[in-house]
Amino acid sequence: AQSVTQPDIHITVSEGASLELRCNYSYGATPYLFWYVQSPGQGLQLLLKYFSGDTLVQGIKGFEAEFKRSQSSFNLRKPSVHWSDAAEYFCAVGARDDKIIFGKGTRLHILP
Amino acid sequence: DTGVSQDPRHKITKRGQNVTFRCDPISEHNRLYWYRQTLGQGPEFLTYFQNEAQLEKSRLLSDRFSAERPKGSFSTLEIQRTEQGDSAMYLCASSLFGLVGNEQFFGPGTRLTVL
Repeated sequence: AQSVTQPDIHITVSEGASLELRCNYSYGATPYLFWYVQSPGQGLQLLLKYFSGDTLVQGIKGFEAEFKRSQSSFNLRKPSVHWSDAAEYFCAVGARDDKIIFGKGTRLHILP
Repeated sequence: DTGVSQDPRHKITKRGQNVTFRCDPISEHNRLYWYRQTLGQGPEFLTYFQNEAQLEKSRLLSDRFSAERPKGSFSTLEIQRTEQGDSAMYLCASSLFGLVGNEQFFGPGTRLTVL
């Protein structure tokens, strides 16, 4: 079955600290992988995506993610978080030109 | 282009009433998707269109739900005889079929509250 697991429901980090959000997926075909961010009252914004090639992908707002096929993982990282990064983050998987399957999300809290 | 738009942004209705939501995709996009997001969950796929053809429906889409995209542009999602369990955020997304990357652009959503 196709699925995405985000094992951390909530994560709290101090402003300026590094961040890693975990994501594992189960997908039968070659996956297209995404990270989206959703701020309160806002729509989903794409942070980054992986389709092929370099397994380390760079996104907007200083985020990056690394695709590890052997671990079926696509973890999101940021070296130094800002208070404005507080939001809900969704990992997602899909096939080309197909629906997207989302994880349940990780809510990021930032301590001043 | 201003992106994907959805109307209304909020809808409060009483159980048993019918509601209809509208989605206007990015103008050149031929794929249109509907998702539903309940509190504390990620979005779940409901259905999608390529042009005016509805290509797939999720088992989540009960007989009370119907979606159309009559001219291959905007789409409507109607819920008949609403139930409290229908309370959710309904998200629309669009993409351009065949474009490498299949990036779906999401609208702001319509939040439905069924009393």
